[in-house]
Amino acid sequence: NAGVTQTPKFRILKIGQSMTLQCTQDMNHNYMYWYRQDPGMGLKLIYYSVGAGITDKGEVPNGYNVSRSTTEDFPLRLELAAPSQTSVYFCASSSPRENTEAFFGQGTRLTVV
Amino acid sequence: KNQVEQSPQSLIILEGKNCTLQCNYTVSPFSNLRWYKQDTGRGPVSLTIMTFSENTKSNGRYTATLDADTKQSSLHITASQLSDSASYICVVSETHGSGNTGKLIFGQGTTLQVKP
Repeated sequence: NAGVTQTPKFRILKIGQSMTLQCTQDMNHNYMYWYRQDPGMGLKLIYYSVGAGITDKGEVPNGYNVSRSTTEDFPLRLELAAPSQTSVYFCASSSPRENTEAFFGQGTRLTVV
Repeated sequence: KNQVEQSPQSLIILEGKNCTLQCNYTVSPFSNLRWYKQDTGRGPVSLTIMTFSENTKSNGRYTATLDADTKQSSLHITASQLSDSASYICVVSETHGSGNTGKLIFGQGTTLQVKP
């Protein structure tokens, strides 16, 4: 079982560059999420989606964009990378049924220099 | 503002000892409360999930308790092992009305180090 797969695992960007963090899940989950985790801090929600074609902002959406054209994929786009976006990014998915587990990817470590 | 606060921030214990981690939350209403274990450099992995009507739930050496009246939860680890060294995160699932929005609100985590 692949579960939630994120690519790339590591990336270094220069200020002003753009990139897309990929996330795909094979569990047919409706809910998908993007979080960022700064050193020594908890996870903060960037964007989430409750189904294909539906996305909504989380706590810290500025500087990011998402799309959800299929149930499986939920890419996160950084348009103009800034040093403040240096972080570890986690994608997660879950079923909309109450009290079901959320599954996380392995994370993408992004450094903006 | 819905928040989840954990204590202590970090903890060091000797192998074989027990420990208890605390979580206070202000999320209301909530769907469920979860405890996750996050090893360094890895994504969080679920340990327990409890609804507001459950008081306790166990998963091996991990036992979570929930007091929905005081909005407090604890995670008790029994007979700690070196592999328990990790960050433990309390997560509350926010809900509005009859539906579950699916938004998970994370605490900052407690970093546990188990020493031989």
